[in-house]
Amino acid sequence: AQSVTQPDIHITVSEGASLELRCNYSYGATPYLFWYVQSPGQGLQLLLKYFSGDTLVQGIKGFEAEFKRSQSSFNLRKPSVHWSDAAEYFCAVFMKTSYDKVIFGPGTSLSVIP
Amino acid sequence: DSGVTQTPKHLITATGQRVTLRCSPRSGDLSVYWYQQSLDQGLQFLIQYYNGEERAKGNILERFSAQQFPDLHSELNLSSLELGDSALYFCASSFGGGHFGSEAFFGQGTRLTVV
Repeated sequence: AQSVTQPDIHITVSEGASLELRCNYSYGATPYLFWYVQSPGQGLQLLLKYFSGDTLVQGIKGFEAEFKRSQSSFNLRKPSVHWSDAAEYFCAVFMKTSYDKVIFGPGTSLSVIP
Repeated sequence: DSGVTQTPKHLITATGQRVTLRCSPRSGDLSVYWYQQSLDQGLQFLIQYYNGEERAKGNILERFSAQQFPDLHSELNLSSLELGDSALYFCASSFGGGHFGSEAFFGQGTRLTVV
């Protein structure tokens, strides 16, 4: 069955430190991959997406993600975290099965220590 | 401000009741998507409409239905409400019809509490 996992429920980093949020998916073909951020009380905001081509994708707010087909992963990275990055991060996978299907991961909550 | 407007922001209702959530997409966007976010189920895609027609369906219960009107606003109808329907319901919109084929912008959600 198709699934999306985000192994880390909660991560705490110091401001200025680097960040990597993990995302793994289970799907037989190449999916469309997304990362969203949700600030408290807010809707989702698209950070970046991968459809095809270069496997290193640049997004907004200094984020990037790398698609690794062999590992079925799409990890999100940022070289230097800012306090305003504290939020919930969701990985999402769009799959074409018998019908269009979107699955979100459970989310990773990021806390930033000043 | 994403440009997607959802009303009401908060809704409290009793079990067994029926409610309607409304979404106005960004100007020019033809697709509307509905999502449910709850502690138990996480974030789930419910349904997509494109230019008035249903385009994709996700984990939407039979007690739930949606429609998109000629002016492109959409309504999500939830009936025979149960305690487990308490959740944050998001609407998103995009110009294109392919799911996530173009960037989808999210509203701030309607918080539904069933008591």
